[in-house]
Amino acid sequence: RKEVEQDPGPFNVPEGATVAFNCTYSNSASQSFFWYRQDCRKEPKLLMSVYSSGNEDGRFTAQLNRASQYISLLIRDSKLSDSATYLCVVTPSGGYQKVTFGTGTKLQVIP
Amino acid sequence: SQTIHQWPATLVQPVGSPLSLECTVEGTSNPNLYWYRQAAGRGLQLLFYSVGIGQISSEVPQNLSASRPQDRQFILSSKKLLLSDSGFYLCAWTQNNEQFFGPGTRLTVL
Repeated sequence: RKEVEQDPGPFNVPEGATVAFNCTYSNSASQSFFWYRQDCRKEPKLLMSVYSSGNEDGRFTAQLNRASQYISLLIRDSKLSDSATYLCVVTPSGGYQKVTFGTGTKLQVIP
Repeated sequence: SQTIHQWPATLVQPVGSPLSLECTVEGTSNPNLYWYRQAAGRGLQLLFYSVGIGQISSEVPQNLSASRPQDRQFILSSKKLLLSDSGFYLCAWTQNNEQFFGPGTRLTVL
C-alpha cells in the first residue's frame, strides 16, 4: 500500500459546482496534514493545513479523519481559476520532518 | 520574508554529461532543505534532505548526489546524466512542518 494515495482524476466539473477530493494515508503516526495546489509546470504551493477539528478558508474546507486515516478537500462554487492539481501531503512525527506527497488529483473546471 | 531561489530554470543536457543545480534560501537560518524530482505526470519523489551544513541523507539510490557547502545553499549534482534523470527538480525548505518550494528546474536529458 502506498504511504499516501489519491485518485488521480481528472475531475471535470462545471463552474459553480462543488467538488471533493479524498486522500488516504497508511502511517497512523502521521502528525501533520496539508493540501497543496500545483499549477501546470509550476512548483506546488501550500493551499491549507488540515486540522483535526476541520478548517475552512473561503470556498475551501479541509477535514481530517484519523480513525479512517484520510483527509478531504471540498471546493464550493468552483471557479475556472481553481483548475490545477491538488496534492495531499502527510508528515509523520520525526526529527527531520520527512514529508510524503500524494501523486495529486487533477481538477479541470469547465465554463 | 523567506525566499528560495533555484537556477537554472530550464536545462537541456545530453546523456552522460554532468549536472549541477543550485538552490539558495534567504531570510532564514539553519533550514531543513530538500531536493525533490517530479517526473512527467507523476508525484514528487524525495531525493535528498539536509538538516545542516555537510549533512546529507539520501532517500533513493541513484546516480545523483547532493551537497550543502553553506547553511543556505543546497546543490544537486550528477557526474553522468541518464535519460531517466529528466524531470522537474524542486528545492524546498520547511517551517512549522510546512514545505515551501523554489520555482524549480526543468531538466531534459536527450
